[in-house]
Amino acid sequence: EPEVTQTPSHQVTQMGQEVILRCVPISNHLYFYWYRQILGQKVEFLVSFYNNEISEKSEIFDDQFSVERPDGSNFTLKIRSTKLEDSAMYFCASTRDSYSNQPQHFGDGTRLSIL
Amino acid sequence: AQKVTQAQTEISVVEKEDVTLDCVYETRDTTYYLFWYKQPPSGELVFLIRRNSFDEQNEISGRYSWNFQKSTSSFNFTITASQVVDSAVYFCALSEGNSGNEKLTFGTGTRLTIIP
Repeated sequence: EPEVTQTPSHQVTQMGQEVILRCVPISNHLYFYWYRQILGQKVEFLVSFYNNEISEKSEIFDDQFSVERPDGSNFTLKIRSTKLEDSAMYFCASTRDSYSNQPQHFGDGTRLSIL
Repeated sequence: AQKVTQAQTEISVVEKEDVTLDCVYETRDTTYYLFWYKQPPSGELVFLIRRNSFDEQNEISGRYSWNFQKSTSSFNFTITASQVVDSAVYFCALSEGNSGNEKLTFGTGTRLTIIP
């Protein structure tokens, strides 16, 4: 069964550094998402992306965050200048469209640790 | 604004007991989707079920069953004859709109521990 893949599984970064989290959505999917989960807390929506543009973003997704689909297969989340509070598990998800009756498929996540 | 409440933070039951996880949601939309995801200790999110707001039929899948009641805005999840492998955090989630592609709003999760 096709999967959403995320790399790396664990990223350790110094505060203030830029970090890029990578995701390869399922190949025929059209809608892409990033969510984050601070340790022990609920999963929170960050951003959704469709047709090469952001379709919705949350309050968390401020100017420090950006997303990109650089080559038609990867979907990246960049944090420009990381803060301690960015430490969390980041999940990428994708879905095809409303007609396929498919749920959002999640990757296994990237654990981001800011030192 | 959409909201999902999972009032049970933690539940522990002895193996083979039945257990019900509660989920109450709030939305102004007449069309929406409800979901349950399982997060085992390894951390990934495993999709369990998706229901749309027009389909109030209860669903059973093996030991799992779901009770959707629009009148009480609830979408409860029951595990019958629980097993140790069911130990995980379970999240209920809501997606507004009729496309099914809108963002998911998650509840705070219920940590289920099955005691052998």
